[in-house]
Amino acid sequence: QKEVEQNSGPLSVPEGAIASLNCTYSDRGSQSFFWYRQYSGKSPELIMSIYSNGDKEDGRFTAQLNKASQYVSLLIRDSQPSDSATYLCAVKRGYNKLIFGAGTRLAVHP
Amino acid sequence: EAQVTQNPRYLITVTGKKLTVTCSQNMNHEYMSWYRQDPGLGLRQIYYSMNVEVTDKGDVPEGYKVSRKEKRNFPLILESPSPNQTSLYFCASSPRTGDTSTDTQYFGPGTRLTVL
Repeated sequence: QKEVEQNSGPLSVPEGAIASLNCTYSDRGSQSFFWYRQYSGKSPELIMSIYSNGDKEDGRFTAQLNKASQYVSLLIRDSQPSDSATYLCAVKRGYNKLIFGAGTRLAVHP
Repeated sequence: EAQVTQNPRYLITVTGKKLTVTCSQNMNHEYMSWYRQDPGLGLRQIYYSMNVEVTDKGDVPEGYKVSRKEKRNFPLILESPSPNQTSLYFCASSPRTGDTSTDTQYFGPGTRLTVL
């Protein structure tokens, strides 16, 4: 079992819809969770971090965390073609390490 | 401009020929790390450094070496590259070690390495 699991996709949504990206993790002691966006051929960039159960909103992005279910999600409202990218879920292990999932490819079509 | 730079960006080499991929950051970050990215496996940490002269293994260190003689530089060395080291490599840096400050990792542009 991988430490961080994501559906590889592609997840295809129409422009203006809500895209829902999901991630599960195996280490019940994990405390810090992140979503990175990676455009094709580019490096990852952090878009959201979440540390407490519940929702955290930043513009069109909402991160949701449920530690009891070991589940993290990212919602993208009013999806735009420019949101088309691979979204990487990452979980902090111990003091310094980030463990990444393999990523979910999102395609937003006009 | 605050950035992490890597060189070379693309490299094709042959088995056994030693190579070094350089990484440099101009943000005075203490924490630096190397990852490799392979299809279906995501980003996996190779080595990391918490400060000058302090390095430690990540999850996939076999076949790699690193050094941290200066704060800004963290080169990745492949002493005897093999085809299974063909991958996309990213260097990353972060402001400080510990707590949430290591969470925002700034990534370099990547180095695509092919070992024939």
